[in-house]
Parts: sequence; structure tokens; C-alpha cells
Amino acid sequence: EIVMTQSPATLSVSPGERATLSCRASQSVSSNLAWYQQKPGQAPRLLIYGASTRATGIPARFSGSGSGTEFTLTISSLQSEDFAVYYCQQYNNWPPTFGPGTKVDIK
Amino acid sequence: EVQLVESGGGLVQPGGSLRLSCAASGFAFSSYAMHWVRQAPGKGLEYISAISSSGGSTYYADSVKGRFTISRDNSKNTLYLQMGSLRAEDMAVYYCARRAGSGYPYDYWGQGTLVTVSS
Repeated sequence: EIVMTQSPATLSVSPGERATLSCRASQSVSSNLAWYQQKPGQAPRLLIYGASTRATGIPARFSGSGSGTEFTLTISSLQSEDFAVYYCQQYNNWPPTFGPGTKVDIK
Repeated sequence: EVQLVESGGGLVQPGGSLRLSCAASGFAFSSYAMHWVRQAPGKGLEYISAISSSGGSTYYADSVKGRFTISRDNSKNTLYLQMGSLRAEDMAVYYCARRAGSGYPYDYWGQGTLVTVSS
């Protein structure tokens, strides 16, 4: 099973600032990496798939990069609605596995 | 509009059973693999089971193998999870999620249903 790790565990950011979240896989997952956003009491929402492709309706301030074992999610200018937990997930190998999440909160 | 609506969660005693359902609408249900993913209180996301579009293939995480059974009724556009021998560590919000295939992420999720295991 591929183990996903995320850093930092918590990221404190002021509105309007840039946020950079990292995700690492224990072995290569090619570009089969997704990012999800989850707000309290809500289901996860797909943001990015294929490491860098935004899902339908996702604002351009969200961008993803990386391949192999190292990935990054960047939120260029944080809006109030972006404060949430972000999970990365690999779907290259079975079973699909998630990282532990990064909580983005207000500084 | 794609919708996935889970139901069937609730309070169950350790060792008990429960059946979850996930009603799908707004897409060709029989063309998609479906998964169950759970989230323990305050914790992260865990894949637990999957079923192919036809229902002919099923998969389980080791944590639930032998205790849970996934199934689907494509005529009713509904996914099921029969849960047995429930343990305290099974307490979680259970989500159904759609997946187009092995090279695709979960693109739609239900709102989740809470399973509480307690005496």
C-alpha cells in the first residue's frame, strides 16, 4: 500500500496570501494524484486531478503541480471560503490512499 | 445534476449489523464503479470497499474484509454496504463516492451517513 504524507499539518495564512501545501507518496504514483477540499460537516470536494488539472467549477486560484512522489497544491490568494482541510490522494495503485490532510486556518 | 444520497446510518451495539444505502441520480449509474470511504470522528479519509460497474467485482480494505459486503442494484440506481460484526473502530461517517475507472479520482461524493458503534 502506498503511504501518503502531507505537510504541514496546519498552515496559518492571512486572507489574500498565498498557501503552498505539500504531498509526498512512498513510491511513484505518476500523475495519478488528486486534491480534495473538505469543510466542517461537508463531504470532500474534488479540486485537482491528474496532479494539475482543475475539476469542473474550481477557481483558477487553485493549482497543482508535481509528478512521481512529490506534489504541491497552491492557492494563490486565499479567500475566506478556502479555509478548510485539504487531502491528497493517489489513485495509481490499489488501494487508493489518502494523506492525513493539511488544515488551512486563518492567521 | 449528479446526486449521491446515503442513508441507513445510526446507533448500533458492538457486534451488531447495519446496512447502508446510497441512492444515485443524474448520471448513468451502471457505467460507474462505486466506492465507500469512511471518516472516523476528527480523522482522515479511508477507502474501505469498491464495486465494479456491473457488480461482478468487489474489493475490500483489510480492516473490513470478511465483515462488510458491498453490492449494487443497477435497476434501482442504488449502492449498498452491509456491515456486520461492528466494532468501536468502525464508528465513522460513511461516504459513497463515484469513480469513472481505475485511472480516475472520486469526482462526486454523497453527504455521508454517520454510524455510531456503542453499547
